[in-house]
Amino acid sequence: GENVEQHPSTLSVQEGDSAVIKCTYSDSASNYFPWYKQELGKRPQLIIDIRSNVGEKKDQRIAVTLNKTAKHFSLHITETQPEDSAVYFCAASRGGGYQKVTFGIGTKLQVIP
Amino acid sequence: ETGVTQTPRHLVMGMTNKKSLKCEQHLGHNAMYWYKQSAKKPLELMFVYNFKEQTENNSVPSRFSPECPNSSHLFLHLHTLQPEDSALYLCASSQDLRGGETQYFGPGTRLLVL
Repeated sequence: GENVEQHPSTLSVQEGDSAVIKCTYSDSASNYFPWYKQELGKRPQLIIDIRSNVGEKKDQRIAVTLNKTAKHFSLHITETQPEDSAVYFCAASRGGGYQKVTFGIGTKLQVIP
Repeated sequence: ETGVTQTPRHLVMGMTNKKSLKCEQHLGHNAMYWYKQSAKKPLELMFVYNFKEQTENNSVPSRFSPECPNSSHLFLHLHTLQPEDSALYLCASSQDLRGGETQYFGPGTRLLVL
């Protein structure tokens, strides 16, 4: 089955700096890679996703890159703000009627004001 | 947010109790999921239902019994649980199982087994 590894497990950055979280996956058939943000005591919420036919996707201060050959994808947050503090989860899944999503262990991001 | 709701939000039960967790989605989705979230572990998929039919049982012990009476409601029946079952149980839904569909999570039930 799919195995998703995520690092670092914790990350502290100064407000205004960039943060990068990296994930690798094992199943070459995976083609959908969402990222979820979970604030303390709240539910995970999708913040951005990327499909295997795209190498990069950007949404304001958040961007995700995908390298299918190396089987890794990354989340980039620029100009971090205190409200970016949360746990971020990467995930990978196949398409085509099979929707088992495998999550990474999560990265706890702390943005220091 | 009212897209996916879960009750109760917190639950404390003894190992001999029987309780049920309820999930309801108001998004018109056809697929629903149960996840277990424990500290320092990835989200663990437990069960997947599509159009009320169970499509995935991820080697979950029989003390967890899911029920999906319709596409909008999902239950998790709990019986003779162990302390290590204490965790946050998250329900989620998606449009269907075509793949690449966003999953919308409920707020979770924080379960403590004594």
